[in-house]
Amino acid sequence: DAGVTQSPTHLIKTRGQQVTLRCSPISGHKSVSWYQQVLGQGPQFIFQYYEKEERGRGNFPDRFSARQFPNYSSELNVNALLLGDSALYLCASSLWREDTEAFFGQGTRLTVV
Amino acid sequence: SQQGEEDPQALSIQEGENATMNCSYKTSINNLQWYRQNSGRGLVHLILIRSNEREKHSGRLRVTLDTSKKSSSLLITASRAADTASYFCATDAAINTGTASKLTFGTGTRLQVTL
Repeated sequence: DAGVTQSPTHLIKTRGQQVTLRCSPISGHKSVSWYQQVLGQGPQFIFQYYEKEERGRGNFPDRFSARQFPNYSSELNVNALLLGDSALYLCASSLWREDTEAFFGQGTRLTVV
Repeated sequence: SQQGEEDPQALSIQEGENATMNCSYKTSINNLQWYRQNSGRGLVHLILIRSNEREKHSGRLRVTLDTSKKSSSLLITASRAADTASYFCATDAAINTGTASKLTFGTGTRLQVTL
């Protein structure tokens, strides 16, 4: 079975541009979460989606948005990119129940120049 | 913001030795999970321990949880060079009851296992 897949793997953008990152969850997983990991730190929660609805949001500005599609895949959008948005963006999928692990994709490395 | 801290920040040991990493957190939790990350790529889930559990084993891994001290430890026994990675603890505090909720990660421990 395929794991969580993310695309693209690497991306270079210029300040002020917009970026869209994509994630396909493990088959059967209906919950998708997004995390930002800045170099040298642990991942930080951005969004959680379940059944196409936002179920949680971390402390990120409105420049960050996301959505989930009927097939449970998800997109993360970041507008008006700043240098500080350079990070590894991780997508995780999980079952919608308590005490379950999250399965992470390999991430998208975003560099803003 | 990070939930807590891992200690030590970096650990260097020789193959065959045991590695112990500690994690402290700040709020009440449903469960605590440990993840491994190789070379800044995706996270691999290692083990989940529920708030009502005190110890859990999985292969060469042993995790303890002390909710009164808000701390956890991960022990890797008989370490191998392939265990070289960053290790993160993550707490699950539940956004909505009955759901898999957001994970709040610590700062990680970088483990180096040399031959």
